[in-house]
Amino acid sequence: QAGLTQPPSVSKGLRQTATLTCTGNSNNVGNQGAAWLQQHQGHPPKLVSYTNDNRPSGISERFSASRSGNTASLTITGLQPEDEADYYCSAWDSGLSAWVFGGGTKLTVL
Amino acid sequence: EVQLLESGGGLVQPGGSLRLSCAASGFTFSSYAMSWARQAPGKGLEWVSTILTSGAIYDADSVKGRFTISRDNSKNTLYLQMDSLRAADTATYYCAKDWWSDWGQGTLVTVSS
Repeated sequence: QAGLTQPPSVSKGLRQTATLTCTGNSNNVGNQGAAWLQQHQGHPPKLVSYTNDNRPSGISERFSASRSGNTASLTITGLQPEDEADYYCSAWDSGLSAWVFGGGTKLTVL
Repeated sequence: EVQLLESGGGLVQPGGSLRLSCAASGFTFSSYAMSWARQAPGKGLEWVSTILTSGAIYDADSVKGRFTISRDNSKNTLYLQMDSLRAADTATYYCAKDWWSDWGQGTLVTVSS
């Protein structure tokens, strides 16, 4: 199954804002929206946003998501050292009847 | 508190079989779709299989015909029967609730001779 497209890496400074992107098509991101997962090294993934801009309880308001057409975005404001992690997007593809993931973006906080 | 605890991973030879289990607690298991995803060492996440509350099943092409997802709502347990294992199946396998809302710690499956 074809995956979603994410930039491999993004680097930003402490307290800056990072915007991560995830591009799919009209069957997945453009239709159902995307979920965003954060994964620290050696730990399981953690949901930080679902169906475009819904935050699970306990997730900082510094995390916000949006969608424009077939591209979803995760914006993290006021970057903190603990935000350094791999971020994955995922969406249900109605054409494939399958979940698809992006390849992940490694966020480095300088 | 939602808890998902995977077990059953280990070392298996190519062509062999393993059955993974995921014991769930802290929520009404029967009311949620459940999924398996995997992550090869140093690689990204890959969806494996999903089972809905209705029992409908969706599988990734890479495991179709070899892996079987199932659930026992009376035991609050999700399973993944893995047959005809290949080296490419080597990964940490995670179970996840609903649309990725909660994840277990994962269990490592290594396929090697």
